[in-house]
Amino acid sequence: AQSVTQLDSQVPVFEEAPVELRCNYSSSVSVYLFWYVQYPNQGLQLLLKYLSGSTLVKGINGFEAEFNKSQTSFHLRKPSVHISDTAEYFCAGLPTGAAGNKLTFGGGTRVLVKP
Amino acid sequence: KAGVTQTPRYLIKTRGQQVTLSCSPISGHRSVSWYQQTPGQGLQFLFEYFSETQRNKGNFPGRFSGRQFSNSRSEMNVSTLELGDSALYLCASSLGAPSTDTQYFGPGTRLTVL
Repeated sequence: AQSVTQLDSQVPVFEEAPVELRCNYSSSVSVYLFWYVQYPNQGLQLLLKYLSGSTLVKGINGFEAEFNKSQTSFHLRKPSVHISDTAEYFCAGLPTGAAGNKLTFGGGTRVLVKP
Repeated sequence: KAGVTQTPRYLIKTRGQQVTLSCSPISGHRSVSWYQQTPGQGLQFLFEYFSETQRNKGNFPGRFSGRQFSNSRSEMNVSTLELGDSALYLCASSLGAPSTDTQYFGPGTRLTVL
């Protein structure tokens, strides 16, 4: 069984401040990990993904995430946020070696960027 | 390249009715996955089709079904609608092999059951 937990349901942050969104996973097998963003009334957009190799993954829009196997975490960070980063962010996992795209999502973190 | 399109974007039905939602994947993509998004349960995987075959299935009752056509377009059907089926239904497409190919999501169909 696999589960993904996002520890914060909401994160308010001021414009140009850094932000960190926390994600922990639990799985009996190795997993691939993803971060998606959902803007209001839109579908999900992939920010970045960890498949293997370097544990620091850089994504679009200045986001990056670090895979930590010992802490089973995959936290998302951005050093300086913009108003346009206001959205909901989802962490997701996929067992390695699995056939297909059966993603397991965390509950989401709403980021509200204040001016 | 056109993105993933879903029709209709909004739908209102009453309990007991059935509904069919449609998803057109990005050209060349062979995998289509469906997800249900609700405030209470979050994002949950429904099923995935790859080359017209169901490759994965989530934990949903048999009232939820789907299919994929030879042009990779997919439909999902929900029969005997219940109030709890009100949700945003998201479709995602990918090349499909390997499974780590990026999934591209459509804007969703918002279903309201009265």
